[in-house]
Amino acid sequence: EPEVTQTPSHQVTQMGQEVILRCVPISNHLYFYWYRQILGQKVEFLVSFYNNEISEKSEIFDDQFSVERPDGSNFTLKIRSTKLEDSAMYFCASSELASGGAGYNEQFFGPGTRLTVL
Amino acid sequence: KQEVTQIPAALSVPEGENLVLNCSFTDSAIYNLQWFRQDPGKGLTSLLLIQSSQREQTSGRLNASLDKSSGRSTLYIAASQPGDSATYLCAVGMEYGNKLVFGAGTILRVKS
Repeated sequence: EPEVTQTPSHQVTQMGQEVILRCVPISNHLYFYWYRQILGQKVEFLVSFYNNEISEKSEIFDDQFSVERPDGSNFTLKIRSTKLEDSAMYFCASSELASGGAGYNEQFFGPGTRLTVL
Repeated sequence: KQEVTQIPAALSVPEGENLVLNCSFTDSAIYNLQWFRQDPGKGLTSLLLIQSSQREQTSGRLNASLDKSSGRSTLYIAASQPGDSATYLCAVGMEYGNKLVFGAGTILRVKS
């Protein structure tokens, strides 16, 4: 069964460093998302991406964050200058646009990347 | 701003019991609603998706209902098993961009 994959599973970095989190969405999916979950808190939406551009972003997704689809399979989240409060589990998700433009289908999540900022 | 609330926060039941998890949301203008399962330290596994025009969806021992006008959904788990122990998350898909807004989850423990 197709699944969303993410690498690395765990990333440890020093405050102020740049990190890139990588995701391979399900191959026929058209919408891509990043969410994060700070330990003990709710899963929070960061950004959605469609047709090679951001379609929506949350207030969390400020100038230190960026997303890119560098090729036909990868979808990345870059955090330019990490802060202690960026420590969280980051989830990538993808969904397939329903046929006929009737709406959006089920979102499928990857296993997550645990980011620890020291 | 959409707010999603899940009750109870935690639930402990003996094996074999039928149980209901509750989810409520403040803005009824949703596109769909998904129920997920999350095991400790793991990703989210989609269990059921209900479109806003639907009233319920079933998958095996799971049944999810949606009352959009009253802002409520329930997840019914029949004949619970220890393997059902996990956190169950409710998330609503909004009209624009279909971002999901999540509840805090219900931590379920099924005792053998």
